[in-house]
Formats: sequence, structure tokens, C-alpha cells
Amino acid sequence: GAVVSQHPSWVICKSGTSVKIECRSLDFQATTMFWYRQFPKQSLMLMATSNEGSKATYEQGVEKDKFLINHASLTLSTLTVTSAHPEDSSFYICSARGAGGAETQYFGPGTRLLVL
Amino acid sequence: GNSVTQMEGPVTLSEEAFLTINCTYTATGYPSLFWYVQYPGEGLQLLLKATKADDKGSNKGFEATYRKETTSFHLEKGSVQVSDSAVYFCVLLVNNRLAFGKGNQVVVIP
Repeated sequence: GAVVSQHPSWVICKSGTSVKIECRSLDFQATTMFWYRQFPKQSLMLMATSNEGSKATYEQGVEKDKFLINHASLTLSTLTVTSAHPEDSSFYICSARGAGGAETQYFGPGTRLLVL
Repeated sequence: GNSVTQMEGPVTLSEEAFLTINCTYTATGYPSLFWYVQYPGEGLQLLLKATKADDKGSNKGFEATYRKETTSFHLEKGSVQVSDSAVYFCVLLVNNRLAFGKGNQVVVIP
């Protein structure tokens, strides 16, 4: 299947700093990318959906000024956690969808963020 | 709303044992149902799917049947291997949106 990468896989930062996470579709063009957040022993919660060249659509309760999403190309989306705080510590997973719809949605391996 | 419920807790079993992971759902409309698997250090991968009632999805020895009358999509495998150790997520798709269960950690002991 198609490959989606995330970088970094692990990040530890101090409270108040900003962290950028990259998501790349390596062998296909992703018309849509998704960002999810996963708490321990919980399901994946959709944070936002982004289409290339457009502003992201955020789910209810997700602060768009806190979680900045950029989808500048068909193979790259970035999530920036601004002024991170300990409560932002979580596992962030990106997903990229090709032209075939939801059944061609591929997931990255996730990024573990720990804010001290 | 749309939601997926998976049985609680990790599943630990011996090699060649029979595996069942329960999944039930609530949904408006007519969802498609999926099982995704996440191996250590990797992203979620589609394991199997069923798009309408009574469909059976199958892959790598795993099976799940879309039961509309019981709103269930239980995952089964007759004889597990150590390499099946992973986290399994039951997922529904409706209105082009995915909704995930909490996932079940499966550990297969040699």
C-alpha cells in the first residue's frame, strides 16, 4: 500500500515552545490530509481536515490558533502546536487520502509529543 | 451520532488460538465498516472491509461479517501467529468521515 511518513516520531519540548510535525505522502498525491489526536487507551479523534491550497477545517473544540495546519502541496502537510503546554502532550497521527476516497486513506506512524 | 465500541482491554492468547474481537457500532445512514491494524512503529493499515449488510471482509486469515441486525462487525481469526501481535481498530465510514473504536492490543505468545 501507499506510504505516509511523519517527522519527527518523538519530540520533547519545554512548555511555551512551538513544535512542528510534518506529514508526507511518499508515493501518491494526497488531495486531502487529516490530523488526529490519540489519548492513551482512547480512539483517534479527528482534529482537522485539510485540502491542498485551502484552509483547514477544524473539528468542534479544536483551537485553530493553537494547532496551525498548512497543506502547501499534494505531498506535505504540517501541524504546528503553538505555545505548547503539558496538556498538549499526546500522540498525533496524520492521514492522507488519495483520489479514491476514504478507502484510499493511509496513515502515518504517529508522532509522540511530550511537553514538559 | 456515529460511534464504534470495541471490547475492553488487551487480548493475550497463545499461538494457534482462536481470536475474536468484538465491535459494535451506531450510525446514521449506511456505513461502510473496516478493520485497521497497527503494527509496532507503523501506521494504521487497512486489514479488511465490508460495504453493505451481510458482506464478509477477509484478509490474511482474518474475517468479519457486516451484521446490520446486531450492528456488529466482529473480527475473527482461526489460528493466530506471533506476527499477528498488533493493535486492531474497528472503524466505520459514513458521510465520508471515519469514526474509530478505541482499539484492542492483541499479544500472541509463542
